[in-house]
Amino acid sequence: GAGVSQSPSNKVTEKGKDVELRCDPISGHTALYWYRQSLGQGLEFLIYFQGNSAPDKSGLPSDRFSAERTGGSVSTLTIQRTQQEDSAVYLCASSLAGALFKTQYFGPGTRLLVL
Amino acid sequence: AQTVTQSQPEMSVQEAETVTLSCTYDTSESDYYLFWYKQPPSRQMILVIRQEAYKQQNATENRFSVNFQKAAKSFSLKISDSQLGDAAMYFCAYSGGSQGNLIFGKGTKLSVKP
Repeated sequence: GAGVSQSPSNKVTEKGKDVELRCDPISGHTALYWYRQSLGQGLEFLIYFQGNSAPDKSGLPSDRFSAERTGGSVSTLTIQRTQQEDSAVYLCASSLAGALFKTQYFGPGTRLLVL
Repeated sequence: AQTVTQSQPEMSVQEAETVTLSCTYDTSESDYYLFWYKQPPSRQMILVIRQEAYKQQNATENRFSVNFQKAAKSFSLKISDSQLGDAAMYFCAYSGGSQGNLIFGKGTKLSVKP
């Protein structure tokens, strides 16, 4: 079956612009996670969605970052007024449920470069 | 807070040989999962193996096996009969709590020499 997909694959933007990153999880997966992978910080958890529950935003680095998940499926991560330190690979993962027992399956990521 | 440490930034192994990647973690939780993920240059994070903390038996997946020492909070990955396709970044990850978000180590870059 289809895996997790993300778009765009690569994104170059200018400092101060807003960007939207998209994630399509595996069909039937109720849990969705966003992570950020950067050279300096490694892999960091950003936000977690489980079904229709309020998302866990505890990992978002600033209020410039937000995410939504429509219809319990597709998710969009938005970064407003991008800064150079936002340059990173943004990874999305999904799992059958948000419990610790469920393996997360990752998408190929979006590489963001802020000039 | 939970932490994951991978002390080997880079490792190298000869094709067909065996290599062990180290991982230690710190947690006060009693119930959790541990994972090894592989990330080739394509960026796709691929699950290699997972271990449930309540299981004493070490997990095995074909050429990949772990040495899970719960008391020592150690979780090493052994790759037997290494192949060129095993070359990648390997990340050790911890999952605990109600949400299950992963906490990753810094990674080990594995090179395989023909």
